[in-house]
Amino acid sequence: GAVVSQHPSWVICKSGTSVKIECRSLDFQATTMFWYRQFPKQSLMLMATSNEGSKATYEQGVEKDKFLINHASLTLSTLTVTSAHPEDSSFYICSAPSRAGAGDTQYFGPGTRLTVL
Amino acid sequence: EDKVVQSPLSLVVHEGDTVTLNCSYEVTNFRSLLWYKQEKKAPTFLFMLTSSGIEKKSGRLSSILDKKELFSILNITATQTGDSAIYLCAVYSGTASKLTFGTGTRLQVTL
Repeated sequence: GAVVSQHPSWVICKSGTSVKIECRSLDFQATTMFWYRQFPKQSLMLMATSNEGSKATYEQGVEKDKFLINHASLTLSTLTVTSAHPEDSSFYICSAPSRAGAGDTQYFGPGTRLTVL
Repeated sequence: EDKVVQSPLSLVVHEGDTVTLNCSYEVTNFRSLLWYKQEKKAPTFLFMLTSSGIEKKSGRLSSILDKKELFSILNITATQTGDSAIYLCAVYSGTASKLTFGTGTRLQVTL
């Protein structure tokens, strides 16, 4: 099946620094990718939809200036957490639909665990 | 706003038991309902349901959708310790073009 990778798998950073997380579709092209956040013992919350070649669509309550999304190619989307704070510590997961328009068949990356000290 | 509710929140059973996990939803322009299993990392896909009354089965796991009553169940028979995980239900809206996840059911299977 299709594979989505994320890098890094986990990261620890100091408060105030920025962290970039990469999401790649390894054997298929993805014009759309989704970024989710999952706090401990909670479900996945969609943060934003990343669109290749255009601006991301953010969910209500997600600060676009804090969570910068760039989808520069058909196989790569990046999420940058700017000026990270301890409350940003979470598990960040990306996903990509198996084909255009098939948003209900999403392949999930392995996730990135972010800890902000 | 689209909404997905799962019950129970948490469940502990003995190996060999059968469990039923519930998922109810309210969504605009329903397109599909999906079940995922999440262990320590990202969710892994179990089933996608689009039609009422048609059971999907994979080994000891099965699932069915009722679009009239807006719910789905996930059954696991003869549970094993390896079934311990969080089971997530998600609904895809054709209008919103996104998945909405429920809070999940945490299943623990003990010896």
